[in-house]
Amino acid sequence: DTGVSQDPRHKITKRGQNVTFRCDPISEHNRLYWYRQTLGQGPEFLTYFQNEAQLEKSRLLSDRFSAERPKGSFSTLEIQRTEQGDSAMYLCASSLTGAEAFFGQGTRLTVV
Amino acid sequence: SQQGEEDPQALSIQEGENATMNCSYKTSINNLQWYRQNSGRGLVHLILIRSNEREKHSGRLRVTLDTSKKSSSLLITASRAADTASYFCATGVMNTGFQKLVFGTGTRLLVSP
Repeated sequence: DTGVSQDPRHKITKRGQNVTFRCDPISEHNRLYWYRQTLGQGPEFLTYFQNEAQLEKSRLLSDRFSAERPKGSFSTLEIQRTEQGDSAMYLCASSLTGAEAFFGQGTRLTVV
Repeated sequence: SQQGEEDPQALSIQEGENATMNCSYKTSINNLQWYRQNSGRGLVHLILIRSNEREKHSGRLRVTLDTSKKSSSLLITASRAADTASYFCATGVMNTGFQKLVFGTGTRLLVSP
């Protein structure tokens, strides 16, 4: 499978716990994006990487959120001290040209 | 924040009929893209139309773009039950040197056999 891969697909966690999600982009894509989608809404931009550099962070990304892309390949998104409002689908996308973006299947987070 | 507004929010048709979805947006764009999302799954890229293009076709899909009205439409011809999904428009907006996709709220399409 040469598409964008996200792991895990589903995560249930207790409030206050930390969670980490992983995204493996399409191999030749140097641009990587994280989006968050809540029920009934369209995805909202969280952050953008070009190679290993994090070039943009949305104000939606509070201090509890951190994203990395250490070698310019896979990326991780960590949420510390999860809250119920963090429950959402977290989507990763990658792009070669910066125009078309290709999305993974997402990680659905439920905070109980 | 979401830039685009899709209309209608929900659409129910019979197989074989055409489905038209509209998208309006607010700011200048580089391009506009349409994505499909099956329930609980990721987004599948359907088509991209650049800001200097007015119409584009891909298989059973036809997209139009009117930058003067800041609107776009997606037409799916001869719909099939497998087309049942949510459809999102996303505007490509330049933001500090890179393009960010700003999504609308989506149209939920139901195609009945």
